[in-house]
Amino acid sequence: EVQLVESGGGLVQPGGSLRLSCAASGFTFSRYWMSWVRQAPGKGLEWVVNIKQDGSEKYYVDSVKGRFTASRDNAKNSLYLQMNSLRAEDTAMYYCARIYDVWGGYYRDFWGQGTLVTVSS
Amino acid sequence: DIQMTQSPSSVSASVGDRVTITCRASQGISNWLAWYQQKPGKAPKFLIYAASTLQTGVPSRFSGSGSGTDFTLTISSLQPEDVATYYCQRANSFPPGLTFGGGTKVEIK
Repeated sequence: EVQLVESGGGLVQPGGSLRLSCAASGFTFSRYWMSWVRQAPGKGLEWVVNIKQDGSEKYYVDSVKGRFTASRDNAKNSLYLQMNSLRAEDTAMYYCARIYDVWGGYYRDFWGQGTLVTVSS
Repeated sequence: DIQMTQSPSSVSASVGDRVTITCRASQGISNWLAWYQQKPGKAPKFLIYAASTLQTGVPSRFSGSGSGTDFTLTISSLQPEDVATYYCQRANSFPPGLTFGGGTKVEIK
């Protein structure tokens, strides 16, 4: 059974840092692109970063470029998101998701339960 | 970047009604489209890929159609457990991103 379990969320002051983790199990983690997706309170889904199987390629949404860094440890089946210079507008539930490619399309087929990040003084 | 626009933003219907949600891409994406269901307080769930193929375990009352720029998600007979927000997502031109639509909230009247 595929499982993704996020952790590391919490309350942080503006300008602060936080590191999120996502522990994966039930599939060969190293074979998949992975993604962080966030959802601000009462808002829609926004992709944050997509990271290639070996971590060699990472693509960030413009609003987090230069502040957030995604990484992965395939030996530990884990995905990470280092968030620096946090702003109030980064307040959101953060989900990790597996990206599955089929017939040439790319889909987020499994999601974790999310971890809540609140940026407030 | 290709933009995804959903309509309506919310819909209220009675149990047993047919509900249709629309997703429009700013440029053609063939059939590279997914639909997700997010129930209140829960993570999104993958429903449909390649515009019309149901993920395993998804009830047959859900269906997807469309190609190019215009897509629909249809619930043929709305059930109480279908109360959720539904999102489309384009699935082509990856990387860099896989953009979501703004979501459509489905409620029971």
